[in-house]
Amino acid sequence: AQSVTQLDSQVPVFEEAPVELRCNYSSSVSVYLFWYVQYPNQGLQLLLKYLSGSTLVKGINGFEAEFNKSQTSFHLRKPSVHISDTAEYFCAVSDDSSASKIIFGSGTRLSIRP
Amino acid sequence: GAVVSQHPSWVICKSGTSVKIECRSLDFQATTMFWYRQFPKQSLMLMATSNEGSKATYEQGVEKDKFLINHASLTLSTLTVTSAHPEDSSFYICSGLGSLNTGELFFGEGSRLTVL
Repeated sequence: AQSVTQLDSQVPVFEEAPVELRCNYSSSVSVYLFWYVQYPNQGLQLLLKYLSGSTLVKGINGFEAEFNKSQTSFHLRKPSVHISDTAEYFCAVSDDSSASKIIFGSGTRLSIRP
Repeated sequence: GAVVSQHPSWVICKSGTSVKIECRSLDFQATTMFWYRQFPKQSLMLMATSNEGSKATYEQGVEKDKFLINHASLTLSTLTVTSAHPEDSSFYICSGLGSLNTGELFFGEGSRLTVL
């Protein structure tokens, strides 16, 4: 069975500092990996996704993530954060044979301090 | 990316009444839509998978008679919370499956239900 673990429930950082949000997954088959962002009282917006190919994936708003198969990780990074990045971030995994069964991690709340 | 719209975004109702939430795919056809429930500061919990023209598939522990799902067209799925009670208060989110090849989901803005 697939599962996703987000190791940090909250990550506070100062504005313009770099940030890494950690995500580990378990799966017995090939996977699709995703990072979503959720602003208060809104739905989820896709930041980036890994389907195949290059292990370094670039997304919107300056975020990027690296797929590491040996470590079963898909950590999200940004070199310099802004106040507007304050949100909840969800890592997700789905089985490529059945895209419907997407599993979300528990989420990481990123709070940016001025 | 594709757009999914949910309505209403906020709803307050009295205990015992029913509430309908709509989920529309505005610029693509979503043969499959998903309904989630999100409790405060928690992740999304899949409630059911809605397929156009057929009955929804509910996750274990979700009452199908309580949460009625209808997917009558390729662009519209509805979730009706019947005889709502305060414990049904939550944030409900829908998503549409854009493409089976990519597994990418497009999410609605969410609907916050408060049952008094």
